[in-house]
Amino acid sequence: AQTVTQSQPEMSVQEAETVTLSCTYDTSESDYYLFWYKQPPSRQMILVIRQEAYKQQNATENRFSVNFQKAAKSFSLKISDSQLGDAAMYFCAYRRINAGGTSYGKLTFGQGTILTVHP
Amino acid sequence: DSGVTQTPKHLITATGQRVTLRCSPRSGDLSVYWYQQSLDQGLQFLIQYYNGEERAKGNILERFSAQQFPDLHSELNLSSLELGDSALYFCASSPATGKINTGELFFGEGSRLTVL
Repeated sequence: AQTVTQSQPEMSVQEAETVTLSCTYDTSESDYYLFWYKQPPSRQMILVIRQEAYKQQNATENRFSVNFQKAAKSFSLKISDSQLGDAAMYFCAYRRINAGGTSYGKLTFGQGTILTVHP
Repeated sequence: DSGVTQTPKHLITATGQRVTLRCSPRSGDLSVYWYQQSLDQGLQFLIQYYNGEERAKGNILERFSAQQFPDLHSELNLSSLELGDSALYFCASSPATGKINTGELFFGEGSRLTVL
């Protein structure tokens, strides 16, 4: 079974600084997606960034970027120029793609990292 | 707005009771997923439906059941409720395979259940 591990229950960063959230996963599959979701106090689940495993290039979305190390099964999220609105729980998630890319499985989530942003 | 609608947003009930949570997926999405998030916990997968059929089952208790109807909305039924069932229940949907699919799930705002 696939597992996702976030080893940092809590992280903090000063406004305008950079912070990196860690995530490792375990799978025997070769084709899959990885995601970072943000859950602010409103509890809404918001997609931050996605990475397809077959792509070697790291995904980037504005101030958010990932460091995807497939061999090491590592998927960290870097937030640059942190803003107060970035304060939230961040979840790393894995989703396998079945052979042939014809169907997708469930999302498997890590336990989350609470990010605090100090003004 | 993700396009996924969940009702009710909040529900308070007593132990031993039964409740039904409802989910309407995004237009055109055939897959519906249910997740449970207990206080300060991660999201635990409960069950998945695809076009009316159960596709995958996770850590769903026998007291819980779900179904997806022909119009693709889904209901999660929770019975013989216990204090420990208090949680945020999320529904998520994703497009059918073969359609443009970016792999992500689209989440509703959740139904917060409090069992007293």
